[in-house]
Amino acid sequence: EPEVTQTPSHQVTQMGQEVILRCVPISNHLYFYWYRQILGQKVEFLVSFYNNEISEKSEIFDDQFSVERPDGSNFTLKIRSTKLEDSAMYFCASSDLGHYSNQPQHFGDGTRLSIL
Amino acid sequence: KQEVTQIPAALSVPEGENLVLNCSFTDSAIYNLQWFRQDPGKGLTSLLLIQSSQREQTSGRLNASLDKSSGRSTLYIAASQPGDSATYLCAVLSHYGQNFVFGPGTRLSVLP
Repeated sequence: EPEVTQTPSHQVTQMGQEVILRCVPISNHLYFYWYRQILGQKVEFLVSFYNNEISEKSEIFDDQFSVERPDGSNFTLKIRSTKLEDSAMYFCASSDLGHYSNQPQHFGDGTRLSIL
Repeated sequence: KQEVTQIPAALSVPEGENLVLNCSFTDSAIYNLQWFRQDPGKGLTSLLLIQSSQREQTSGRLNASLDKSSGRSTLYIAASQPGDSATYLCAVLSHYGQNFVFGPGTRLSVLP
C-alpha cells in the first residue's frame, strides 16, 4: 500500500538555526498537510496546501514557518529560526481530495525535532 | 472555538473484552469526525470516518457512532486483542474551516 514517507526520522538542531523537514506524499494525492504534536500534548493542525499554495493555516503557522513543493514529489516544511518550543513531532499527511470530501488523510510516521 | 475531549485518558483491559472509548466536542456544527490509531513512534492511521449526516460506521471489530446534537462519539472495540494496544484519537472537522481539532487521546492497553 502506498505510504507517506518523512525524512529525517529525528532532527537535532541548535536554537536559532533553520531546519527543513521533508515529506514525500502519496503520488496521486493533491492535498498536503503538516501537523505537530508536542510531547504529551494534542496533535495540532499547522497548514494545508493545494495547487501550489497554502489553502488554510492555523495560528501556530506564523512567519517563521513556510511550506513548499519544490518538485513533483517532495513537500517541505521550513522553520526559519528555531525556538526551544518548536521541539515536537511533526507529521505530514496527504489526501487525494480535500478536507471536505470526507476522504481520510494518510499520515507519515513523523519527524521528531529536538531544539537544543 | 471547538474543543475536543476524550475519556478515559487511559484504559487497561484483559484480552477478549469489549470496550468503549468516548469523544466529546463542544460545537455540533461539524462536517465529519474521524477516529485514528497512533502506535508509539508512529504516525496516525485512520480507522473510521463518520460524516455529519451519518449515525455510525463499522469496520471489522470497530464500530463508531456519532450523536451530533449531544456532541458525542463513541468507538466500540469488540473482542479486544493485544494488538489493539495503542493510543486512539478522535478528530473533528468543523464546517467553518478550523480544520481538524484533535482530542488528547485514550491510551489503551490490552493484556494477554
